[in-house]
Amino acid sequence: NAGVTQTPKFQVLKTGQSMTLQCAQDMNHEYMSWYRQDPGMGLRLIHYSVGAGITDQGEVPNGYNVSRSTTEDFPLRLLSAAPSQTSVYFCASSRDRDYTSTDTQYFGPGTRLTVL
Amino acid sequence: TQLLEQSPQFLSIQEGENLTVYCNSSSVFSSLQWYRQEPGEGPVLLVTVVTGGEVKKLKRLTFQFGDARKDSSLHITAAQPGDTGLYLCAGEAVYNNNDMRFGAGTRLTVKP
Repeated sequence: NAGVTQTPKFQVLKTGQSMTLQCAQDMNHEYMSWYRQDPGMGLRLIHYSVGAGITDQGEVPNGYNVSRSTTEDFPLRLLSAAPSQTSVYFCASSRDRDYTSTDTQYFGPGTRLTVL
Repeated sequence: TQLLEQSPQFLSIQEGENLTVYCNSSSVFSSLQWYRQEPGEGPVLLVTVVTGGEVKKLKRLTFQFGDARKDSSLHITAAQPGDTGLYLCAGEAVYNNNDMRFGAGTRLTVKP
């Protein structure tokens, strides 16, 4: 199992450009989510999905779109990048959203994005 | 302000010392998790606590969930350089649709 994979690992964009951050998992997990991590802020939830075809907003969804056409993939789209979106982005997956179980939430290695 | 406040923000100790880091909130959580993150990598789950007053041990690490489910602590006995990393607490706030919220973390350095 590769676990959770993210591409690219690094990306530099100019203000106004668009791009898609890719996330895939091979554990047949239903729940997937995107976080951004900024210094002194911890991880903040952007969007999440409880299964194929179902997505919902997290704490900081503005400026980001997601879709979930398959169980395996959960891409994050920036339609018009802004310097405030400079951050490290992590994708995560788990069997379901029930954190009271012993199930583990697995994180990808992250994408470091800089918007100039 | 963070929903989960972690303290201290930074901690530097010598190998063999004991330490405790804290995760506090004014909100009630249905569960709380502790993660460890190394530079350039994603967080790795250490433990999930669910019941108020629960204590879990993982080798030299002891995790406690407060009786009111508003706070948690992580105690490390005889710290080793391999314990160096960023320790994050995260939880689902009962009032907040159970969205996962993270603290800002405690950055621990253990010197040999």
